[in-house]
Amino acid sequence: DADVTQTPRNRITKTGKRIMLECSQTKGHDRMYWYRQDPGLGLRLIYYSFDVKDINKGEISDGYSVSRQAQAKFSLSLESAIPNQTALYFCATSRDTSYGYTFGSGTRLTVV
Amino acid sequence: QQQVKQSPQSLIVQKGGISIINCAYENTAFDYFPWYQQFPGKGPALLIAIRPDVSEKKEGRFTISFNKSAKQFSLHIMDSQPGDSATYFCAAREPGNQFYFGTGTSLTVIP
Repeated sequence: DADVTQTPRNRITKTGKRIMLECSQTKGHDRMYWYRQDPGLGLRLIYYSFDVKDINKGEISDGYSVSRQAQAKFSLSLESAIPNQTALYFCATSRDTSYGYTFGSGTRLTVV
Repeated sequence: QQQVKQSPQSLIVQKGGISIINCAYENTAFDYFPWYQQFPGKGPALLIAIRPDVSEKKEGRFTISFNKSAKQFSLHIMDSQPGDSATYFCAAREPGNQFYFGTGTSLTVIP
């Protein structure tokens, strides 16, 4: 099994719909992150969590929300999807920032 | 604004050649500089990383060169192979905080 599992892998949704992207990890790490990848823009941080009771906004949190259900689970929600949220979304985990991230395989989201 | 600037956006190298990707930053508080490799359909994977107290780190064919005074670091891939074709991201860490990523370089190694 993958260390970081994201579901779904691909999703097409309509404008205005609510959608949730899920992430689970088996690394036992406390820190989890959601990034968005767009061509030419690299990876941008949406939200991050350093433990179950800790949630922090990243640089592009508007239009998104998150829930840390357990140490191993961190979900990202788009309350009312819009087309410019079409992107590749990655979940990542780390033991702490002394180390790099372990990324999931990504969710490709298309909002039509 | 972009905290870490990466160039070039794309790179084509002949098999056996040297691939060089450059990154620059302004925040002197950054204290850890990793490089990630991403294949299509996969998430980025940590490739190699360096701390600012050393000027070079080598792992196999991959070398990071770090110039603290110029606030620049680069990834060198020696003897580039078609299997190295991927997107490469540099990153920098703000102490106690998250990482900032470059915009990525798409490397194609042609046989």
